[in-house]
Amino acid sequence: AQSVTQPDIHITVSEGASLELRCNYSYGATPYLFWYVQSPGQGLQLLLKYFSGDTLVQGIKGFEAEFKRSQSSFNLRKPSVHWSDAAEYFCAVGGTMEYGNKLVFGAGTILRVKS
Amino acid sequence: NAGVTQTPKFQVLKTGQSMTLQCAQDMNHEYMSWYRQDPGMGLRLIHYSVGAGITDQGEVPNGYNVSRSTTEDFPLRLLSAAPSQTSVYFCASSTQATNEKLFFGSGTQLSVL
Repeated sequence: AQSVTQPDIHITVSEGASLELRCNYSYGATPYLFWYVQSPGQGLQLLLKYFSGDTLVQGIKGFEAEFKRSQSSFNLRKPSVHWSDAAEYFCAVGGTMEYGNKLVFGAGTILRVKS
Repeated sequence: NAGVTQTPKFQVLKTGQSMTLQCAQDMNHEYMSWYRQDPGMGLRLIHYSVGAGITDQGEVPNGYNVSRSTTEDFPLRLLSAAPSQTSVYFCASSTQATNEKLFFGSGTQLSVL
């Protein structure tokens, strides 16, 4: 069965510091992987996605993520965090035909940015 | 350019009442889905549809019904609301079979007393 684990419920970083949000997945096929961001009171917005090819993918707002098959991980990174990055971040896996195009989301990581 | 529109934004129900959450998209997307979001649990798929006339169950379908009579609309029905259905509900749509990019509505906050 598909599953996604985001080990950190909350993370607090200082503005300007680097950020890494962890994501581990379980999937029976070559996965499609996603990171979404949700600002308070809003729906989710796609940050980046990995389907195949280069394992380091670039997204919007200066975010990047690296797919590591050996570790079943897809961690999200940003070199310098801005106060506007405070939000909840969700990792998701799936979307392939084998699993009916369905996405499975992790529980989310709440990012707090301190000035 | 409306995107995915959900109504209502807020709703309070009494246990046993029924209601329909509306979702409409104007992007001619084939794939539409409903999620519920609960603290610490992320988003869980309730029902989804890969096209008009086709629906299927997701991870947590019990207590919910859907139909897809048109490409644009995908309503979610609660036949007999229960307190366990208190949640924030999101509708999403995508044009790609691989759900390359889901477009989300702004959500409906539902409370069942």
